[in-house]
Amino acid sequence: SQKIEQNSEALNIQEGKTATLTCNYTNYSPAYLQWYRQDPGRGPVFLLLIRENEKEKRKERLKVTFDTTLKQSLFHITASQPADSATYLCALDSDGGATNKLIFGTGTLLAVQP
Amino acid sequence: DTGVSQDPRHKITKRGQNVTFRCDPISEHNRLYWYRQTLGQGPEFLTYFQNEAQLEKSRLLSDRFSAERPKGSFSTLEIQRTEQGDSAMYLCASSPQAGANVLTFGAGSRLTVL
Repeated sequence: SQKIEQNSEALNIQEGKTATLTCNYTNYSPAYLQWYRQDPGRGPVFLLLIRENEKEKRKERLKVTFDTTLKQSLFHITASQPADSATYLCALDSDGGATNKLIFGTGTLLAVQP
Repeated sequence: DTGVSQDPRHKITKRGQNVTFRCDPISEHNRLYWYRQTLGQGPEFLTYFQNEAQLEKSRLLSDRFSAERPKGSFSTLEIQRTEQGDSAMYLCASSPQAGANVLTFGAGSRLTVL
């Protein structure tokens, strides 16, 4: 069956440390993978997109890696701040770009302690 | 343009009643999506439109659910004969037709069925 799995437990880290979130998928062949941030009671907000032929993408304090052999993406937030506390969702196109819908993981709740 | 708008933000209804949600996407976006999200889960795909054409519907979308996008602009999602299991956040998102499918979400419409 097709699955997208993210860290099932909430992630608690100290301010200033690097947060690393994982996204593993099974039985998908995505052309790209995306990360979104969601705050309570709000819709998800797009952060980064990485394509299947890219190993790594950076944006300010954010870094995403994509390993199509391992079927895994890692999402890093360096120098984390309490304002980074939120749920982070990974999402992928369900069929190598043939369809136009995104399938989301369950999300990882990140809490950055001051 | 202020992004994707959804109305109402909150709806409380009794079981068996009909409810309708409205979504106004970003004006130049051709694609419009509906997702449903329950507590602790990621958004689940329901359906999507390209302009006025409904191109895909999830099997989650039972006969009690209907979505329209009559003129390729705003969309409505109607739930007939609501059940307690319909209680969720209903998220609308839009994206431009070209390029990778990055979604801009609205704030969502939270439905509570008593």
